[in-house]
Amino acid sequence: SQKIEQNSEALNIQEGKTATLTCNYTNYSPAYLQWYRQDPGRGPVFLLLIRENEKEKRKERLKVTFDTTLKQSLFHITASQPADSATYLCARSNDYKLSFGAGTTVTVRA
Amino acid sequence: DVKVTQSSRYLVKRTGEKVFLECVQDMDHENMFWYRQDPGLGLRLIYFSYDVKMKEKGDIPEGYSVSREKKERFSLILESASTNQTSMYLCASSLNLPGTSGTTDTQYFGPGTRLTVL
Repeated sequence: SQKIEQNSEALNIQEGKTATLTCNYTNYSPAYLQWYRQDPGRGPVFLLLIRENEKEKRKERLKVTFDTTLKQSLFHITASQPADSATYLCARSNDYKLSFGAGTTVTVRA
Repeated sequence: DVKVTQSSRYLVKRTGEKVFLECVQDMDHENMFWYRQDPGLGLRLIYFSYDVKMKEKGDIPEGYSVSREKKERFSLILESASTNQTSMYLCASSLNLPGTSGTTDTQYFGPGTRLTVL
């Protein structure tokens, strides 16, 4: 089966710094990777999608990269704010399904 | 905005009970999904449906069944609840199935039902 792993369960950073989250996948490269945000007690909310042929994608203070050689996606939150504190999930397409990583919980200290 | 609603936020049931979890979406999406989420394991797909009355097993279908009689409604059924089914259950919908197009594969999630089986 196609596995997807997020390397860190928790990340604590100071406000204003950049948070970098890692997502690694196995076997063949998916057509795309998606990133979601999940707040406590709520369902995930879609943030960004990056396709296999795209190196980088940006949305406001968020940046995602896709490296098919390393089989890895990096998710950056620049100029982080306490409101960015949440769990971030990556997901890969896999035979008409999405496979999710376990998530990385980011805490931004004021 | 897409809205996905789930019938209960919290549910407590006894072992052996039949449990129904209901999900409704209002965006005319073809596809609906049921996941469970456990600490350290992430979201795991139980079942999905790509059309009315059509269903496909996900990665962990054992102990569950589903029903989709109307396009907007997708039900998850635990025929005989067990303690290892204590979990957060999330429903989602999407216009297209994952891997088919990209942005229209985006899944919209409900708020979740935290089920405790005693």
